[in-house]
Amino acid sequence: GDQVEQSPSALSLHEGTGSALRCNFTTTMRAVQWFRKNSRGSLINLFYLASGTKENGRLKSAFDSKERYSTLHIRDAQLEDSGTYFCAAETGGYKVVFGSGTRLLVSP
Amino acid sequence: AQTIHQWPVAEIKAVGSPLSLGCTIKGKSSPNLYWYWQATGGTLQQLFYSITVGQVESVVQLNLSASRPKDDQFILSTEKLLLSHSGFYLCAWSLGGRSQNTLYFGAGTRLSVL
Repeated sequence: GDQVEQSPSALSLHEGTGSALRCNFTTTMRAVQWFRKNSRGSLINLFYLASGTKENGRLKSAFDSKERYSTLHIRDAQLEDSGTYFCAAETGGYKVVFGSGTRLLVSP
Repeated sequence: AQTIHQWPVAEIKAVGSPLSLGCTIKGKSSPNLYWYWQATGGTLQQLFYSITVGQVESVVQLNLSASRPKDDQFILSTEKLLLSHSGFYLCAWSLGGRSQNTLYFGAGTRLSVL
């Protein structure tokens, strides 16, 4: 069955505001990654977390393997943040399962 | 710096025809290599991974095969394409070892099977 549940599927923000994306896992995951889809459809890595939190500019991610979830927080959203974001979790070994993605639209 | 190159950029193929997609990683020795596939509107699925030359593990069975003939090369192929093979194929690499498996993706190949 599905091991990674990503929400929301779509999100609209006004410039300057913030929100959080979330991925829940049905089983204990070893690590999580967050990606953003680029204009051609490939994926750019934003974060890799085996535990705890990481921050990069206006993005911050957290991973709690025990509680089986990860979050990606966006603050002070800008128009260029619009796009599709994915989480991906390592289930064990070299297997990685992706969430279904969140389409983010930032408007003026 | 490491680079990953996928080819071709796009393919239009007939049902029943063969397929070969390639991926080359430069600047990193003994990378872990991966093939992913996304059907239109679907979730990205891991198809194969390879930890070393000549060894490939299948994750999802889609009537596709993969090979790693060289340390820096990963090939995805089939002898007979199905309509269901259409979609976007992504190759990725990560550092060797399990402690840091950050995935770095290629630009992808868009496949249309008609």
